[in-house]
Amino acid sequence: EPEVTQTPSHQVTQMGQEVILRCVPISNHLYFYWYRQILGQKVEFLVSFYNNEISEKSEIFDDQFSVERPDGSNFTLKIRSTKLEDSAMYFCASTGGGWETQYFGPGTRLLVL
Amino acid sequence: DAKTTQPPSMDCAEGRAANLPCNHSTISGNEYVYWYRQIHSQGPQYIIHGLKNNETNEMASLIITEDRKSSTLILPHATLRDTAVYYCIVRPGGGKLIFGQGTELSVKP
Repeated sequence: EPEVTQTPSHQVTQMGQEVILRCVPISNHLYFYWYRQILGQKVEFLVSFYNNEISEKSEIFDDQFSVERPDGSNFTLKIRSTKLEDSAMYFCASTGGGWETQYFGPGTRLLVL
Repeated sequence: DAKTTQPPSMDCAEGRAANLPCNHSTISGNEYVYWYRQIHSQGPQYIIHGLKNNETNEMASLIITEDRKSSTLILPHATLRDTAVYYCIVRPGGGKLIFGQGTELSVKP
């Protein structure tokens, strides 16, 4: 069964460093999402992406964040200058059509020291 | 904010049916009810969704009341591996998912 994959599974970085989280969505999917979950809190929407542009973003997704689909398979989330409060699990999701079910990856646990 | 209300926690005996309720009294006519679960900080896993009719798949059944203001997810024979946080989400046909706190289901031997 096709699945969303994410790398790395864990990332430790120093405050102020840039990190890139990678996702490989399900191959024929067209809509891509990033969510995050701070330890002990709810899963929160960050951004949605379709047709090579952001279709919606939350207030969390400020200028420190960016997303990109650099090739036909990868979907990345970049945090330009990490802060302690960026420590969280980051989940990628994809769907074939905007109205269809979203399927999630296993997540990347980011720890900012 | 999430448009659903769920009990924070529930227990269920292994092998018995787990019935997880959800209230969504402000649901709109074009909004679907989705259920996901999250096992121990893994990625949310899709379970089932419906608009107004009851639905069943290999994982669960979804019962939606006639007025659509509430629903129940049924796991017919809960196992220890069903221990997870279960999220009920209302969503129009597309777009982001808005997660609430969910129900933490503990399946006990």
